[in-house]
Amino acid sequence: GNSVTQMEGPVTLSEEAFLTINCTYTATGYPSLFWYVQYPGEGLQLLLKATKADDKGSNKGFEATYRKETTSFHLEKGSVQVSDSAVYFCALSDSGGGADGLTFGKGTHLIIQP
Amino acid sequence: DAGVIQSPRHEVTEMGQEVTLRCKPISGHNSLFWYRQTMMRGLELLIYFNNNVPIDDSGMPEDRFSAKMPNASFSTLKIQPSEPRDSAVYFCASSPLRDTQYFGPGTRLTVL
Repeated sequence: GNSVTQMEGPVTLSEEAFLTINCTYTATGYPSLFWYVQYPGEGLQLLLKATKADDKGSNKGFEATYRKETTSFHLEKGSVQVSDSAVYFCALSDSGGGADGLTFGKGTHLIIQP
Repeated sequence: DAGVIQSPRHEVTEMGQEVTLRCKPISGHNSLFWYRQTMMRGLELLIYFNNNVPIDDSGMPEDRFSAKMPNASFSTLKIQPSEPRDSAVYFCASSPLRDTQYFGPGTRLTVL
């Protein structure tokens, strides 16, 4: 079956630091990959996605590249802000995220200190 | 667009009581999903519907859980009878077929 593994948190960084959150996956087919973000007390919001190998998803300064050879989709940001503090979830879907449910990683709690 | 709407936002009930969670998907979306989030197990897919038809309910934990989608704009998740281990945040999400899922704000359920 499908599975997603993310680095454990919490991850604590200072403002303007470089961020990497690792994500690797196991899937039987050719999945689409997603990063969702959850702010305290809120639902999940799509941050970015990639639907095929070597695609790069990007949004709000965050980037992730679909690496089929290493089955990875690591999230990066060059300079984090206090407002980026949240829980980040890596997820995959075998059908573009629509017709089938998403398989999520456990989530990484990111804390940015001023 | 109002986004996915869930009600209630918070529910506190006693063990053995029936609980009904409600979801209104985004208009025009063909797929609807129910997820459960707990500290121990993370986010788990419970059931999903395509065009109001249940497609996969293999994630529903027990017969105490049931879900319906009587029309394209409304779905319910019912727990009867509820137990303390059902305490969690329940999310509803909707999407156009084969596209990104959009999540509601969630219902935080506490069963005493």
